[in-house]
Amino acid sequence: GIQVEQSPPDLILQEGANSTLRCNFSDSVNNLQWFHQNPWGQLINLFYIPSGTKQNGRLSATTVATERYSLLYISSSQTTDSGVYFCALRSGNTPLVFGKGTRLSVIA
Amino acid sequence: DADVTQTPRNRITKTGKRIMLECSQTKGHDRMYWYRQDPGLGLRLIYYSFDVKDINKGEISDGYSVSRQAQAKFSLSLESAIPNQTALYFCATSWTSGDGYTFGSGTRLTVV
Repeated sequence: GIQVEQSPPDLILQEGANSTLRCNFSDSVNNLQWFHQNPWGQLINLFYIPSGTKQNGRLSATTVATERYSLLYISSSQTTDSGVYFCALRSGNTPLVFGKGTRLSVIA
Repeated sequence: DADVTQTPRNRITKTGKRIMLECSQTKGHDRMYWYRQDPGLGLRLIYYSFDVKDINKGEISDGYSVSRQAQAKFSLSLESAIPNQTALYFCATSWTSGDGYTFGSGTRLTVV
């Protein structure tokens, strides 16, 4: 099946710093999403982005499908950005496959 | 009310016991999923259902069974719980396109 690799596995930032999270995948995809899991365990969908670029406030995402990677940018990070960020994707008519996540800690 | 509701939120059970985790949704989605989360491993798929008459095994289905009682209800059972099934379990729903993925709040299960 399709393989998903996220980097870095852990990231510690000072409040106000910017960061880039990466997701590499092994096959062509027709669905790619980014999720944020907050410290209480809740999973929230951030972006549906099988290709192209989207922005939502301080967050933006870019997927280059031909090169099989996606990037999540967080600018001017805040302590509320802490948690785990997951990339999830699928190839064909299958459920989403999740990466192992990037754990982000933003320190005040 | 939440769009995807999981019960119970937390459960401690003994080895060998049968336990059922329940999931109901008000999204009107046709697809439902059960995932398991272990620290450092991301979410792994246990079972999924594309409609009421469709049940499929996921990556880690051994030791689990499911029932799709209605379009809105999808339950997960552990026939004989063992300690390495201690984990955080998530139910999710989506449209046929795979868009609109919505997760429940999770069930934290501890098997002692």
